[in-house]
Amino acid sequence: AQTVTQSQPEMSVQEAETVTLSCTYDTSENNYYLFWYKQPPSRQMILVIRQEAYKQQNATENRFSVNFQKAAKSFSLKISDSQLGDTAMYFCAFKVDSSYKLIFGSGTRLLVRP
Amino acid sequence: GAVVSQHPSWVICKSGTSVKIECRSLDFQATTMFWYRQFPKQSLMLMATSNEGSKATYEQGVEKDKFLINHASLTLSTLTVTSAHPEDSSFYICSDGTSGAKETQYFGPGTRLLVL
Repeated sequence: AQTVTQSQPEMSVQEAETVTLSCTYDTSENNYYLFWYKQPPSRQMILVIRQEAYKQQNATENRFSVNFQKAAKSFSLKISDSQLGDTAMYFCAFKVDSSYKLIFGSGTRLLVRP
Repeated sequence: GAVVSQHPSWVICKSGTSVKIECRSLDFQATTMFWYRQFPKQSLMLMATSNEGSKATYEQGVEKDKFLINHASLTLSTLTVTSAHPEDSSFYICSDGTSGAKETQYFGPGTRLLVL
């Protein structure tokens, strides 16, 4: 069975600084996808970034980038130049290629301090 | 990505009544949609997979007769909480898993249900 683990329940960062959120997963599959979703206080789930397992290059979306270590089954999210609007719950998620089902981690609550 | 709407955004009902929540894919035809439940400060829990034109697939531990799902068209899936009780109070979120960028689910804004 696939599992996703986020070991940091809460994180805090000063505005304009950089923060890294951790995520590890467990699977025996070779073809899969990894995602980071953001859930602000409005509770709308917003896709932050996605990574295909077959791609070695780490995905980047503006201030958001990932460090994908396939052998270590690690998928961390780096937020650069943190902004107050980044304050939210962040969920790491996993999906195998053969299924639509998303498996979520328990989430990390990020607070950006002014 | 795909745009997904939900209605209502929040609902309060009396214990014993039924509540219907609608999930619409606004810009794509969604053959598969998903229903999640989220308790405060917790992660999303998949309840069921809604398939257009066929029966929904429920996750283990989710009561089929309690949470009725209908996916009669390519743009609409509904979740009906039957004979609601206070323990059904939660945040319900749907997502569209077959539109927009492949392999990516896009989520509706969610529905807050409070059963008194």
